[in-house]
Amino acid sequence: AQKVTQAQTEISVVEKEDVTLDCVYETRDTTYYLFWYKQPPSGELVFLIRRNSFDEQNEISGRYSWNFQKSTSSFNFTITASQVVDSAVYFCALSEAIQGAQKLVFGQGTRLTINP
Amino acid sequence: DAGVIQSPRHEVTEMGQEVTLRCKPISGHDYLFWYRQTMMRGLELLIYFNNNVPIDDSGMPEDRFSAKMPNASFSTLKIQPSEPRDSAVYFCASTPGGRGGEKLFFGSGTQLSVL
Repeated sequence: AQKVTQAQTEISVVEKEDVTLDCVYETRDTTYYLFWYKQPPSGELVFLIRRNSFDEQNEISGRYSWNFQKSTSSFNFTITASQVVDSAVYFCALSEAIQGAQKLVFGQGTRLTINP
Repeated sequence: DAGVIQSPRHEVTEMGQEVTLRCKPISGHDYLFWYRQTMMRGLELLIYFNNNVPIDDSGMPEDRFSAKMPNASFSTLKIQPSEPRDSAVYFCASTPGGRGGEKLFFGSGTQLSVL
């Protein structure tokens, strides 16, 4: 069965610090997709990134970067120079890539608080 | 595009009452999902549809829960009778579908409180 583990329940840092959110996944599939979603205090779920299992290149988008390592089954998310607006709950998720099957399994989430 | 639309945003009801949550997916999306979010269990997939047909309802907690998708632009999640432990945020999401691993577009959620 697929499983996503976000061991960090809560993280609190001071603004401008760098912070890394950990995500470890389990799957027996060779083809799969990994996601990060952000849930700000307003409650909606905002898509951040998707990676497929064949693409291990790290990705950077502004202050956000993602480190995908199949060898350790991890897909970690780093925020550089954090800002108060980054405060949110962040979810890592896993989806199998089978035609007709779109089940997205979420981790428990990491509540990130950026203090001014 | 208006995005996924859920109604109501908030619902407060008393134990034993019937509750109906509504969702309008993004036009052209073939898949529709219902998720429930609680502090204890996080985000759980309840059921999903492909082209209006339920594909996997293994996440539906019990017979008190039912979901329908009578057409491509509307779905309901019904709880009858409701219980306090059903209190949660219920999200609807849709996606175009394809080979799997597509990004989900979420609605704003319905905050349900059962007293």
